[in-house]
Amino acid sequence: NAGVMQNPRHLVRRRGQEARLRCSPMKGHSHVYWYRQLPEEGLKFMVYLQKENIIDESGMPKERFSAEFPKEGPSILRIQQVVRGDSAAYFCASSPPASGGPTTGELFFGEGSRLTVL
Amino acid sequence: KQEVTQIPAALSVPEGENLVLNCSFTDSAIYNLQWFRQDPGKGLTSLLLIQSSQREQTSGRLNASLDKSSGRSTLYIAASQPGDSATYLCAVSPPELSFGAGTTVTVRA
Repeated sequence: NAGVMQNPRHLVRRRGQEARLRCSPMKGHSHVYWYRQLPEEGLKFMVYLQKENIIDESGMPKERFSAEFPKEGPSILRIQQVVRGDSAAYFCASSPPASGGPTTGELFFGEGSRLTVL
Repeated sequence: KQEVTQIPAALSVPEGENLVLNCSFTDSAIYNLQWFRQDPGKGLTSLLLIQSSQREQTSGRLNASLDKSSGRSTLYIAASQPGDSATYLCAVSPPELSFGAGTTVTVRA
């Protein structure tokens, strides 16, 4: 059972370009979370998705950032018109559903995608 | 808004000593608490998950306690080894996690 798979592991973009980060959850997991870790800072929640639904996007910047988790395929975190301040490690996590509730809450993380904006 | 604090921010011990890492949170209405390990440039590895109804969890040399009423958790690592050197993160949910800033541990050989 493969873990949470993120790609690309490293991405370099120039200011104004778009960045697309992909996340495939663990098999059987239907919940995906995206976190951002800025240099020398802790992990900050961005968005929580289930298949075809955004459950909580309270941590997403209001502009340029979007996320989706389609019925088929990986979850995508999209950053349009990147700026230097977007340089960070972006982590995806997934969790399994629990009987009687939406999720067990136990999260399993990928290795992260490190975005560098020149 | 949940605030998670980890003390100390950094810790250096000689090999063989026991490690005690502290985590506190402001809102006791949590679903669970999870301890992670992060190596430099790497992702997060889940160490222990404590459900809100539990008081502690153990895995090998690791033991984590949870006191919801006081908003505290402690991670104990017995007989530390140089391979335990990493940053340890505490996080609470529901259901998305709120993370502490971590404790960076160095175990000297």
